[in-house]
Amino acid sequence: GDSVTQMEGPVTLSEEAFLTINCTYTATGYPSLFWYVQYPGEGLQLLLKATKADDKGSNKGFEATYRKETTSFHLEKGSVQVSDSAVYFCALSDQVQGAQKLVFGQGTRLTINP
Amino acid sequence: GAGVSQSPSNKVTEKGKDVELRCDPISGHTALYWYRQRLGQGLEFLIYFQGNSAPDKSGLPSDRFSAERTGESVSTLTIQRTQQEDSAVYLCASSPGGAQGGELFFGEGSRLTVL
Repeated sequence: GDSVTQMEGPVTLSEEAFLTINCTYTATGYPSLFWYVQYPGEGLQLLLKATKADDKGSNKGFEATYRKETTSFHLEKGSVQVSDSAVYFCALSDQVQGAQKLVFGQGTRLTINP
Repeated sequence: GAGVSQSPSNKVTEKGKDVELRCDPISGHTALYWYRQRLGQGLEFLIYFQGNSAPDKSGLPSDRFSAERTGESVSTLTIQRTQQEDSAVYLCASSPGGAQGGELFFGEGSRLTVL
């Protein structure tokens, strides 16, 4: 079945460092890809998405490009802030009966130190 | 508020007891999902409801788990004869349904601890 594998955590960086969190997927067909973020004490929320190959999703300085040839959707940010500390989840859609059922990776905990 | 609401936020129970977890989705959202998040692990799909279609129960781990949804509103997840391995955060999410780009709106979860 469809699956998502993402970089093991936890990841600890200093403020203004460059961030990459790797995500690869296995899927039949052509899923949409997502990054969700869970800030401390809050529910998961969508960070960005890409619906077809070569699309780039971006939001809040984060970017990820849908790479079909490498089945990857790595999350990047050029200069992280303390407020980016959170758990990040990569996910893909498995469309069944017109609704989007999301398959998630295991999550990567990111801590940014001042 | 206008978001997904879950209750209780925390539940501690004894092994063997039954528990019910409740989810109020965003008004108008036809799709509703339950996920489980064990400590240090990813989100595990349990079940989803889409309008009046038969629910997809393919993720329920055992027959001790069941869920119901009344129309396009409230859903309850029931765990019978709880076991310690059921301890987890149970997350509910809703979405407008259809090919809407896949954004799910999550509640803050119900943390279940089975002693």
